[in-house]
Amino acid sequence: RKEVEQDPGPFNVPEGATVAFNCTYSNSASQSFFWYRQDCRKEPKLLMSVYSSGNEDGRFTAQLNRASQYISLLIRDSKLSDSATYLCVVTLGGKLIFGQGTELSVKP
Amino acid sequence: GAGVSQSPSNKVTEKGKDVELRCDPISGHTALYWYRQRLGQGLEFLIYFQGNSAPDKSGLPSDRFSAERTGESVSTLTIQRTQQEDSAVYLCASSLAPPLSYEQYFGPGTRLTVT
Repeated sequence: RKEVEQDPGPFNVPEGATVAFNCTYSNSASQSFFWYRQDCRKEPKLLMSVYSSGNEDGRFTAQLNRASQYISLLIRDSKLSDSATYLCVVTLGGKLIFGQGTELSVKP
Repeated sequence: GAGVSQSPSNKVTEKGKDVELRCDPISGHTALYWYRQRLGQGLEFLIYFQGNSAPDKSGLPSDRFSAERTGESVSTLTIQRTQQEDSAVYLCASSLAPPLSYEQYFGPGTRLTVT
């Protein structure tokens, strides 16, 4: 079983749609959680951290459920510029463990 | 300020040759990581340096792979006797010392092609 699992997609949505990404992790000792974004042929960049209380940054909302070992990312009112691969990331022993990523394509 | 830099940006090499990839982390970042990303795949952890501690080499796929870091600065990843399956983008990232911060800043990567 992979340490971090994501639906690979692709998710094809129209502009303005709401899209949700899900992620599960296998090691309950994982300490911190993040969503990274990776544009085509570019390096990953931190999108947001994920906290148990949930956190929001503009159109983006992240949630963590430690009991279920589940992380989510919600994007509201999606824009063309949101098209990218979204990487679910957990930390373990000082290292980041990356999921395979979910590809999002927002169409006009 | 300056971000993480990597060189070369692209490297084409013949099977069996050795290659050396370089990473310059952000100044003051004590943690440095190497990852590999094959085409269409996720990031695969290779090795992690933290200050003067022994590096975590648990992700290195074979003994053909090695990495060094001089103090808290430059790191080099060496691949000996390259194979076609080594073709990938090699990404370097740096951060402040975990758990102070887990936010990793990535370099643009080195695209390695083994022919």
